[in-house]
Amino acid sequence: KNEVEQSPQNLTAQEGEFITINCSYSVGISALHWLQQHPGGGIVSLFMLSSGKKKHGRLIATINIQEKHSSLHITASHPRDSAVYICAGGATNKLIFGTGTLLAVQP
Amino acid sequence: DGGITQSPKYLFRKEGQNVTLSCEQNLNHDAMYWYRQDPGQGLRLIYYSQIVNDFQKGDIAEGYSVSREKKESFPLTVTSAQKNPTAFYLCASSIDFPLEQFFGPGTRLTVL
Repeated sequence: KNEVEQSPQNLTAQEGEFITINCSYSVGISALHWLQQHPGGGIVSLFMLSSGKKKHGRLIATINIQEKHSSLHITASHPRDSAVYICAGGATNKLIFGTGTLLAVQP
Repeated sequence: DGGITQSPKYLFRKEGQNVTLSCEQNLNHDAMYWYRQDPGQGLRLIYYSQIVNDFQKGDIAEGYSVSREKKESFPLTVTSAQKNPTAFYLCASSIDFPLEQFFGPGTRLTVL
């Protein structure tokens, strides 16, 4: 079992839909990271959070420390949101990555 | 513009040859990292460096080597000892260790 698990692995949505991607972790972490990987391979850091909730534009990330669970929400999804979304737990000396969620938003 | 550059984007090598992947950053970050990404797997840490002239093995260091002679540069050498070198390689950096990391565009290495 991976220390950081994401679900779903693949997600197809229609433009405008509300999207949720989940991340559960089984190790102690100091922070939870959400990353976005574009089709060309480049990775962008979206959020780093250790408690509560953060919002940036149409993206919202939440974390529940007690339940060891985080969610990434995308409101009013758009085809340009199509990418792989990766969560990673910040452990003592490294990041532990989930395998990613492939999101396809269809027009 | 500040950022991380990796070159080349695509690299082809014959089996048995060593190859060096470049990673440069002008963000003034102390920490730098090399990751490997394979289909269906999460990123795996190869090596990391918290400061110049110091580096540590990650989870899959066998068959790889690095150097950190300058703050801005953290080249990765894939040696002939690496059994499955074909992969996508990502370099990253952060102000401190292991805080929010900024990633380069990656190098896709194919060994023929």
